[in-house]
Amino acid sequence: QTVVTQEPSFSVSPGGTVTLTCGLSSGSVSTSYYPSWYQQTPGQAPRTLIYSTNSRSSGVPDRFSGSILGNKAALTITGAQADDESDYYCMLYLGSGIFVFGTGTKVTVL
Amino acid sequence: EVHLLQSGGGLVQPGGSLRLSCAASGFTFSGYAMRWVRQAPGKGLEWISGIIGSGTSTFYADSVKGRFTISRDNSKNTLYLEMNSLRAEDTAVYYCGKGGSTYSFDYWGQGILVTVSS
Repeated sequence: QTVVTQEPSFSVSPGGTVTLTCGLSSGSVSTSYYPSWYQQTPGQAPRTLIYSTNSRSSGVPDRFSGSILGNKAALTITGAQADDESDYYCMLYLGSGIFVFGTGTKVTVL
Repeated sequence: EVHLLQSGGGLVQPGGSLRLSCAASGFTFSGYAMRWVRQAPGKGLEWISGIIGSGTSTFYADSVKGRFTISRDNSKNTLYLEMNSLRAEDTAVYYCGKGGSTYSFDYWGQGILVTVSS
């Protein structure tokens, strides 16, 4: 079974920078997994931030950026704002129509 | 503007069945894959099923394979999830999502709660 791991939590100061990562239990994440990133606040539907590693979804501020760092996918928030306080999930495409979400990272801005 | 409006959730007994619907508007429905994701209380997101635009290919997570059936009616712009042999662990908020340009979601439904309990 494929497990996609994310940091459980991160704290960042307003205006600061934080990088969340998304790794595979076995192997490296590459662009071939088409990593995407989603933001979710409690009680709300997810919001798409990044698709295909580093493409920003419509309306997403440019303080959110995606990349591959080493053997993981990464989401960087540059100049964090209070309303960035949310849960963040990555998703990988495993092929043959199958997807898997990461375990999620709770980001606190304080 | 893209809208995905979900319906059909509720309380069902273990072993029972339920059908979720996701009515789409604002885009050419038949041209896009559609998917279902769920979130158990206090837990993370779980992809559970997908279907291509034509409806001829479907995909499932192991956790629901053989019990859930995804389908679509492109004449009605509606996505469905037929859930059978429901278990307590299927209790979750279920979201439908529109397939994005490359193996992602770009729009989401509002979510609907399914509770499996006696």
